[in-house]
Amino acid sequence: SQTIHQWPATLVQPVGSPLSLECTVEGTSNPNLYWYRQAAGRGLQLLFYSVGIGQISSEVPQNLSASRPQDRQFILSSKKLLLSDSGFYLCAWAGLAVAETQYFGPGTRLLVL
Amino acid sequence: GDSVTQMEGPVTLSEEAFLTINCTYTATGYPSLFWYVQYPGEGLQLLLKATKADDKGSNKGFEATYRKETTSFHLEKGSVQVSDSAVYFCALSDRGGSNYKLTFGKGTLLTVNP
Repeated sequence: SQTIHQWPATLVQPVGSPLSLECTVEGTSNPNLYWYRQAAGRGLQLLFYSVGIGQISSEVPQNLSASRPQDRQFILSSKKLLLSDSGFYLCAWAGLAVAETQYFGPGTRLLVL
Repeated sequence: GDSVTQMEGPVTLSEEAFLTINCTYTATGYPSLFWYVQYPGEGLQLLLKATKADDKGSNKGFEATYRKETTSFHLEKGSVQVSDSAVYFCALSDRGGSNYKLTFGKGTLLTVNP
């Protein structure tokens, strides 16, 4: 069966510091991968998605970037965090067979102070 | 563009009450429709889905029917439990290309009291 991992689970970072969040998927090959942010108001915002290694599409221009160095690894980064980057970050994957259905990881809660 | 509108919460019910959370959508094509559930502090879990008109998705006592004529996908459960307390998201999948994207509603917070 497929599983998705995210780490860290919780992170507290000062403004201006760098960020690296990692997402890995097990049990599937060549998944579509997604990064979402959920702010305090509960809505989900799609940040990035990837259909293959090195292929990144950005949905919202902002202070963040994403990379996919391996087939089942998706990384969200920032060089300098802003207060507005605080939120709950969710990674999701979708398989080729049923590409429309996304499965979510447990999330990383980021607090920027 | 595509959009999803779901009823504003919070919704507060007593245990064993009937639940309906309304969801309507706007889409240019023929989307698949989903309900996700998010328990406190956790990621989203797929609750159920429907891929074509008149399909009924069901799971854990929850049901939703894809109504193309009313562009709706309302979530129902006959008897809620305290453990159903969570945020529920309605979503649609854009089939316009190979890069499937989900469009979410804003979520509805459900609280079930014993």
